[in-house]
Amino acid sequence: DAGVTQSPTHLIKTRGQQVTLRCSPKSGHDTVSWYQQALGQGPQFIFQYYEEEERQRGNFPDRFSGHQFPNYSSELNVNALLLGDSALYLCASSSQAGTAGEQFFGPGTRLTVL
Amino acid sequence: AQSVAQPEDQVNVAEGNPLTVKCTYSVSGNPYLFWYVQYPNRGLQFLLKYITGDNLVKGSYGFEAEFNKSQTSFHLKKPSALVSDSALYFCAHMDTGRRALTFGSGTRLQVQP
Repeated sequence: DAGVTQSPTHLIKTRGQQVTLRCSPKSGHDTVSWYQQALGQGPQFIFQYYEEEERQRGNFPDRFSGHQFPNYSSELNVNALLLGDSALYLCASSSQAGTAGEQFFGPGTRLTVL
Repeated sequence: AQSVAQPEDQVNVAEGNPLTVKCTYSVSGNPYLFWYVQYPNRGLQFLLKYITGDNLVKGSYGFEAEFNKSQTSFHLKKPSALVSDSALYFCAHMDTGRRALTFGSGTRLQVQP
């Protein structure tokens, strides 16, 4: 079982650019959540995708958007990058079946905005 | 707003000694509480969860946590610390309606040999 995978590992962009991050969930999972972890802080929930639709959203601007594909993998897109978008972006997968359980996290993508 | 708090930025403990990492919660209804650990340049790893049942929850790597409703706490414990336990620990609450985690600010655990 490959677990949750994310790509790329690191990324450097400049202000105003756009970025796409990718996530493949753990086998058997159908739900993908994205979190932003700024340096020295706990992760913050961005949004969650299930059945190819955004189901829940945290307190993030519309510059942050996403997509889920039929194979359950997901993308996070950030437009018009700001310096403050520099962070570790974590993808977590889970299953809608059953009661709320633990989310399995990927290793993250470190985004640096210059 | 529902939240969890970790009052200590860092906890230092000698190897072999018991460790406690503190977490308090402010949640309406039944709390769904989690502990995760983060090693350098790694994602979060699940340690344990409390949803219902026994107040003492046993998890991975010898960790356990005690749910205390009267004190609204969910402290992480281990009877004997290892140097390899040194990492960043996060307490979290799950909003069951949204199935989204709200994390505390994290506590860095340093275990000295």
